[in-house]
Amino acid sequence: GAVVSQHPSWVICKSGTSVKIECRSLDFQATTMFWYRQFPKQSLMLMATSNEGSKATYEQGVEKDKFLINHASLTLSTLTVTSAHPEDSSFYICSARALASWDNEQFFGPGTRLTVL
Amino acid sequence: AQTVTQSQPEMSVQEAETVTLSCTYDTSESDYYLFWYKQPPSRQMILVIRQEAYKQQNATENRFSVNFQKAAKSFSLKISDSQLGDAAMYFCAYTRNGNNDMRFGAGTRLTVKP
Repeated sequence: GAVVSQHPSWVICKSGTSVKIECRSLDFQATTMFWYRQFPKQSLMLMATSNEGSKATYEQGVEKDKFLINHASLTLSTLTVTSAHPEDSSFYICSARALASWDNEQFFGPGTRLTVL
Repeated sequence: AQTVTQSQPEMSVQEAETVTLSCTYDTSESDYYLFWYKQPPSRQMILVIRQEAYKQQNATENRFSVNFQKAAKSFSLKISDSQLGDAAMYFCAYTRNGNNDMRFGAGTRLTVKP
């Protein structure tokens, strides 16, 4: 089956620093990758959609200058949380839609837990 | 805007029994897809079952089946012969054909009692 990896699985950083999270589709090409944020006991909230080679589309209320997304290839997207603050602490999940997808199914990464001190 | 509603924050079922999780959605589209995802404590999202809106037949995957009522915009998940490993958060999701966005419900936490 389609596998999506995320790295790191967890990260602790100091307030004011930047953190990069990688999302890779391991055995398929992904035209589109998605970044979600999930607070404890809550649902997934879509942050942005990224297409390979083009700028990401951010959901309303998501600061694009704070959450930088790069989708440099059909297998890799990165999310950089710039100048992180404690309120950015959350669980970040990426997903990928395959090039040959017919039903918009998204394959999810295992998530990254970010803790900002 | 498309919205997905799961009205049951928590459900519990006895092992080997059957449980139904509810989901309703709001859309003006006719061509779309619906999904149920499971999120165990590991937090890895796992696809349980999917349904194409143009198909009248309800999808079935082993112990999991759906009751898709297009006119009522309802998409419930039935888990038969519940197992301890079924304990997880279950999310209902909607995506429109040709549109990449996937919208999730608030989730239902399922507990399976031995």
